[in-house]
Amino acid sequence: AQSVTQPDIHITVSEGASLELRCNYSYGATPYLFWYVQSPGQGLQLLLKYFSGDTLVQGIKGFEAEFKRSQSSFNLRKPSVHWSDAAEYFCAVARGDSGYSTLTFGKGTMLLVSP
Amino acid sequence: GAVVSQHPSWVICKSGTSVKIECRSLDFQATTMFWYRQFPKQSLMLMATSNEGSKATYEQGVEKDKFLINHASLTLSTLTVTSAHPEDSSFYICSASPGGRDQPQHFGDGTRLSIL
Repeated sequence: AQSVTQPDIHITVSEGASLELRCNYSYGATPYLFWYVQSPGQGLQLLLKYFSGDTLVQGIKGFEAEFKRSQSSFNLRKPSVHWSDAAEYFCAVARGDSGYSTLTFGKGTMLLVSP
Repeated sequence: GAVVSQHPSWVICKSGTSVKIECRSLDFQATTMFWYRQFPKQSLMLMATSNEGSKATYEQGVEKDKFLINHASLTLSTLTVTSAHPEDSSFYICSASPGGRDQPQHFGDGTRLSIL
């Protein structure tokens, strides 16, 4: 069965510093991978997705992620963090072979941004 | 585009009451919608997959008679929590996809349910 591991429960980054959130997945075939962001009391907003092709994908709000098959990873990065980026970030893998298949989520990483 | 609306955003009710939550895709049709439950500071747990015109598929451990799902049209799915009790208090989130192999799920803003 597929699974997603986000090893960091909390991360604190200074405003303006770079960010990398880790995500490792377990899936037998080529995965459909996603990063979502959730602000307190809100639903999830899609940051970016990987389905195929270029392994470096660009998303909204200046985020990018790189798919590394050899490491089973899909880490999220941002070169310069803004205070408004403070939120919970979820990595997810689709169970089936399409983007709208059911998703398995990681436990999330809470990003705190210090002044 | 791809907006999913969820209503209500917050509901408080007495124990034993049934509560209905609506999930609408505003600018696309969704043959499949999903219902998740999220406990405080935890991840999303899939409760069921809602298919237009057919019965929902429930995840293991989810009570079908407690959480009734109806997907009567291509833009609306409802989740009814029947005879709600305090342990049903949670954050419920729906999602939907326009369909197509490369289309992701889009999420509603969630419903905070508090049972007194």
